[in-house]
Amino acid sequence: QITLKESGPTLVKPTQTLTLTCTFSGFSLTSSGVGVGCIRQPPAKALEWLALIYWDDDKRYSPSLKSRLTITKDTSKNQVVFTMTNMDPVDTARYHCATLKDGYITFDFWGQGALVTVSS
Amino acid sequence: QSALTQPPSASGSPGQSVTISCTGTSSDVGGYNFVSWYQQHPGKAPKLLIYEVNKRPSGVPDRFSGSKSGNTASLTVSGLQAEDEADYYCGSYAGSNNFYVFGLGTKVTV
Repeated sequence: QITLKESGPTLVKPTQTLTLTCTFSGFSLTSSGVGVGCIRQPPAKALEWLALIYWDDDKRYSPSLKSRLTITKDTSKNQVVFTMTNMDPVDTARYHCATLKDGYITFDFWGQGALVTVSS
Repeated sequence: QSALTQPPSASGSPGQSVTISCTGTSSDVGGYNFVSWYQQHPGKAPKLLIYEVNKRPSGVPDRFSGSKSGNTASLTVSGLQAEDEADYYCGSYAGSNNFYVFGLGTKVTV
């Protein structure tokens, strides 16, 4: 059974850096073809893909936010860590991690997400 | 990279069918057969319904079907049921640089 759970601060001040940890189980991020992505959803708005890391440490970032994003993995802990710098109130959203279906380009298992509010 | 275009809302009566469109460009929807559809109930995480245009993951009823023509993909929900009332998002691979783009979402009312 594949599960993912996001953890991190619920409140971040403007200009601060957000660090979210995605802890997963039921699969290994060392297996060929496997990836974990980060997707956010502002309140009452659409999904937005942010970043992805593959089993071989290949990384992809949303071009519009690339300068602010970093995604890394710790396979020994079954964790993916996502950071976004220079947070702004418009970055208030629920941040989800999700698995990239093995060998496909689609997100098949999702965490419940972590709601992050950016406010002073 | 712009979000894919979806109608904001769609509706149908129980037992009827509803079709949702998802329009992109030749750089995403039209360029690859990597279109997915996700269902999201209020307060819940998205759930994968369709991948690679028309494939269903195990456990997804065959009432849900997908197709694509040119730069537009479609999701059809047949035999609408009350539990199908949700938000639906399309998503597509957008090339090695942009990687992935979602649609704006469609609220389906039954």
